[in-house]
Amino acid sequence: GAVVSQHPSWVICKSGTSVKIECRSLDFQATTMFWYRQFPKQSLMLMATSNEGSKATYEQGVEKDKFLINHASLTLSTLTVTSAHPEDSSFYICSADEGLTNTEAFFGQGTRLTVV
Amino acid sequence: AQSVAQPEDQVNVAEGNPLTVKCTYSVSGNPYLFWYVQYPNRGLQFLLKYITGDNLVKGSYGFEAEFNKSQTSFHLKKPSALVSDSALYFCAVDAGNNRKLIWGLGTSLAVNP
Repeated sequence: GAVVSQHPSWVICKSGTSVKIECRSLDFQATTMFWYRQFPKQSLMLMATSNEGSKATYEQGVEKDKFLINHASLTLSTLTVTSAHPEDSSFYICSADEGLTNTEAFFGQGTRLTVV
Repeated sequence: AQSVAQPEDQVNVAEGNPLTVKCTYSVSGNPYLFWYVQYPNRGLQFLLKYITGDNLVKGSYGFEAEFNKSQTSFHLKKPSALVSDSALYFCAVDAGNNRKLIWGLGTSLAVNP
C-alpha cells in the first residue's frame, strides 16, 4: 500500500509555543488529507479536511486559528498547533487520500504531542 | 444521525481460537466499509474494505469480514488468532463516498497465549 510519513513521531513543547507537524505522501499524490486527534483509549476525532491549494474545512468545535492547516502541495500537509497548552496534549494522526474511486485512506504513524 | 457501533470495548480470545470483532452501522445509502488496526502509539493500518460485490471480503494478515446488509453489520473475523493480533481495531464507514469516514470507538483485542 501507499506510504504516508508523519513527522515528528513525538514532541514535547513548552506551554505557549507553537508546534508544526508534517504529513507527507511518499509515493502518491494526495488530493485530500485529513487530520485527526485521538485521546487515550478513544476513537479518532476528525479535526479538519485539507485539499491542496485551498483552505481547510474544519469540523465543528475545532478552532481554526489554533490548529492551522496548510496543504501547499499534493504531497505535503502541515498542522501547526499555535500557542499550545497542556490540554492540547494528544495523539495527532493524518491520513492521505489519492482521490481515486474505491480506494482507502492511508495513515501516518501519528505524533504524540505533550505540552508542559 | 449516522453512526458506527462497535459494541465491545474489549475482546479476549485464546491463541489458536477463532475471533470476531463486531461492527454495526447506521447510515443511509450504500456505504463503503473499512477495518483498520492500530498498534500502541502507532498510526492506523488498513486491513480490508467492502465497496461492492461479494459480501465476504478477505484482507491482510488472514482477516476477513462479512457485509450483511439486512443486519447492517460488518464483523471482522479470523479463523485462528495469534498473540501478535493483539491491538486496537476500528471499524469505519464512508457514508456518502465523500472520503470522510465515520469511526467506531474501537475494540481492544487481546489474544492470550
